[in-house]
Amino acid sequence: GENVEQHPSTLSVQEGDSAVIKCTYSDSASNYFPWYKQELGKGPQLIIDIRSNVGEKKDQRIAVTLNKTAKHFSLHITETQPEDSAVYFCAASKRGQNFVFGPGTRLSVLP
Amino acid sequence: NAGVTQTPKFQVLKTGQSMTLQCAQDMNHEYMSWYRQDPGMGLRLIHYSVGAGITDQGEVPNGYNVSRSTTEDFPLRLLSAAPSQTSVYFCASSNARTLDYNSPLHFGNGTRLTVT
Repeated sequence: GENVEQHPSTLSVQEGDSAVIKCTYSDSASNYFPWYKQELGKGPQLIIDIRSNVGEKKDQRIAVTLNKTAKHFSLHITETQPEDSAVYFCAASKRGQNFVFGPGTRLSVLP
Repeated sequence: NAGVTQTPKFQVLKTGQSMTLQCAQDMNHEYMSWYRQDPGMGLRLIHYSVGAGITDQGEVPNGYNVSRSTTEDFPLRLLSAAPSQTSVYFCASSNARTLDYNSPLHFGNGTRLTVT
């Protein structure tokens, strides 16, 4: 079955710097890749997603890139702010399969 | 519009006790699911449902039961709690009518369960 790895497990950046989190997946048939942000005491919330027919998607300070050949996708956050501090999860899925989540990345934005 | 509502927020059980974690959604979503979250392991699927009267097992179903009698509700039952079931449990729903359509999940805020 599908396996999703996520790196790094923790990431600290200075406010205003960029942050990049990378996920790799094992099943080349996976075609949908969402990213979720989880704040303390809350459930994960979708922040951006990408489908396999697209290489890059951007929403203000957040972007996701997908490399289908290498089977990896990355979350890019520019101009980080303290409110970006949270745990971020990537996930992968394909037709007929539930989501498989990565183990998460704890991002700390230092003022 | 409340989204996905989970109760209770916190629960402490003794080994062997049973309980039901409640989940309700008001978005008319057909797909509902239960995940457990443990440190360093991400979110693991326990059970899911693609509509009322239909349930299926996920990755870690042992020790848990579910039923789906209405579109809105998807309770998770622990039959005989064990310390290994100490975790944070999340309910999630989506507007996917089958697993053939990928649609983002909407999560509740979780139930933190401790089994002593």
